[in-house]
Amino acid sequence: AQKITQTQPGMFVQEKEAVTLDCTYDTSDPSYGLFWYKQPSSGEMIFLIYQGSYDQQNATEGRYSLNFQKARKSANLVISASQLGDSAMYFCAMRGGDYGQNFVFGPGTRLSVLP
Amino acid sequence: NAGVTQTPKFRVLKTGQSMTLLCAQDMNHEYMYWYRQDPGMGLRLIHYSVGEGTTAKGEVPDGYNVSRLKKQNFLLGLESAAPSQTSVYFCASTFEGPSNNQPQHFGDGTRLSIL
Repeated sequence: AQKITQTQPGMFVQEKEAVTLDCTYDTSDPSYGLFWYKQPSSGEMIFLIYQGSYDQQNATEGRYSLNFQKARKSANLVISASQLGDSAMYFCAMRGGDYGQNFVFGPGTRLSVLP
Repeated sequence: NAGVTQTPKFRVLKTGQSMTLLCAQDMNHEYMYWYRQDPGMGLRLIHYSVGEGTTAKGEVPDGYNVSRLKKQNFLLGLESAAPSQTSVYFCASTFEGPSNNQPQHFGDGTRLSIL
């Protein structure tokens, strides 16, 4: 069975500082994908970044980067130069299964950016 | 390009009433999903479909039924609504696997209240 753990229910960060949101996962699938989504207070789910289990390099998308440590089964999201608009819920998710049909989400971390 | 469209966006029901939530996607995705999100919590999978005419149970299927008669549409039905089904419902879709590099695309959600 797949499982995602996010141990930080809430995080605070000062504007312009960097912040790391933790995500650990558990799976027996040999191949899987890891994703991060942002959910602002308006409610929509916004895809941020993807990391494949066989990718050798950490993924980056603008101010977002994913610190992937396969041996530790962790896929932490790093947001550099935080902005007030980064205040939101952040969900870590994993895709796997024989046909890539399984998606599992973590409980989320609420990030608050302070001015 | 509309992406994933959910209708309605808001609905209030009385206990025992029935209703159907519609999800439509125009991205030719094979896989479609229904989730519920309760306040302050993550996403819980209700049902999903890996293709036209197929459906499968997720984590919390009781009290819900689904149908996928057309590839682009995924319907979620509540036969006899209960207050415990008050929630925000999200539909999502993605390309078929087994490659795990495609994220889910989400609709904007349906806020459902059962009185």
